[in-house]
Amino acid sequence: EPEVTQTPSHQVTQMGQEVILRCVPISNHLYFYWYRQILGQKVEFLVSFYNNEISEKSEIFDDQFSVERPDGSNFTLKIRSTKLEDSAMYFCASMRGREYEQFFGPGTRLTVL
Amino acid sequence: RKEVEQDPGPFNVPEGATVAFNCTYSNSASQSFFWYRQDCRKEPKLLMSVYSSGNEDGRFTAQLNRASQYISLLIRDSKLSDSATYLCVVNMAGNQFYFGTGTSLTVIP
Repeated sequence: EPEVTQTPSHQVTQMGQEVILRCVPISNHLYFYWYRQILGQKVEFLVSFYNNEISEKSEIFDDQFSVERPDGSNFTLKIRSTKLEDSAMYFCASMRGREYEQFFGPGTRLTVL
Repeated sequence: RKEVEQDPGPFNVPEGATVAFNCTYSNSASQSFFWYRQDCRKEPKLLMSVYSSGNEDGRFTAQLNRASQYISLLIRDSKLSDSATYLCVVNMAGNQFYFGTGTSLTVIP
């Protein structure tokens, strides 16, 4: 069964450093998402991506964040200068079409020291 | 106002019990609705989509009331393996999905 994959599973970084979180969505899916979940809190929408551009983004997704789909398979989330409060689980999700459900990757746990 | 609200629980029920979870959403233009389950430190996994006519999948029944902006999930004959956090998810408009805080369920032997 196809699945969304994410790497790394755990990333530890120093405050102020750049991190890139990687995702490989399911191959025939057209919509891609990033979410974050701070420990003990709800899953929060960050950004959606369709047709090679951002379609929606939340207030959390400020200038420090960017997304790319560089090669037609990978979907990346970059945080330019990490802050302590960026520590969270980051989930990638993909969706085949507008009327379908999202499938989530296993997540990357980001720890900012 | 929160976009999606759920009773966080926790719900502690004995095996075999029937349990119901509720969820309300703020935007009347919301388009699609889902229940996901999330195990501790794992990713959300789809349990079921929620349709206007209501839908059932084995022991699970989901209902949608658009007039009241309310979604429910009923679990019958609870199993130990049903212990998880149940997330209400709403696509309000466009391509943005909102999650509730989740309702924690523990099924006790």
